[in-house]
Amino acid sequence: EAGVVQSPRYKIIEKKQPVAFWCNPISGHNTLYWYLQNLGQGPELLIRYENEEAVDDSQLPKDRFSAERLKGVDSTLKIQPAELGDSAVYLCASSYSGDTQYFGPGTRLTVL
Amino acid sequence: QQPVQSPQAVILREGEDAVINCSSSKALYSVHWYRQKHGEAPVFLMILLKGGEQKGHDKISASFNEKKQQSSLYLTASQLSYSGTYFCGTEIFGYGQNFVFGPGTRLSVLP
Repeated sequence: EAGVVQSPRYKIIEKKQPVAFWCNPISGHNTLYWYLQNLGQGPELLIRYENEEAVDDSQLPKDRFSAERLKGVDSTLKIQPAELGDSAVYLCASSYSGDTQYFGPGTRLTVL
Repeated sequence: QQPVQSPQAVILREGEDAVINCSSSKALYSVHWYRQKHGEAPVFLMILLKGGEQKGHDKISASFNEKKQQSSLYLTASQLSYSGTYFCGTEIFGYGQNFVFGPGTRLSVLP
């Protein structure tokens, strides 16, 4: 069974540029999470989807971050414009109804 | 409402035991344990549910004290492969709601 797929694995951009990350969850998993992880810290939840509905986006900086999960399968997280402080690893995870979360390899973003 | 983990870091020799603790100020529905190796994604270890029993596989086990809102992860006869950062994640209501990761405990197992 294929795991959670994320792309790109690495991204380097200049500040004020837009960037997008893509995630394809494990087949059949209705819950999808986007996390931000800074070096040496635990993952911090940005947004959680139940099917195509965003049920928890309280920690998403909505002035520059947006996300979508059309058709309740794969998802895209966008930052526009990116700031220096956005440099981090962006992790996507999926689960079946909030059970065990399975993580993708993450996208390492560097903003110059 | 982020859980607290202790210790922040621990260094062991191969074969030694370790205990990692996770505590919360909130009444918990469940505690999840994950291990993350450098440059890799977190990997699920086990979940402990309110009212459930202590769990474990191989030489890694965990307990959940509902009265104290604390969970402990026990690593027995540690192996080199146990090195990594261990995160607990806590839920208050179940179904993935209000899930929060702790800051992590860095474990280094030396030969």
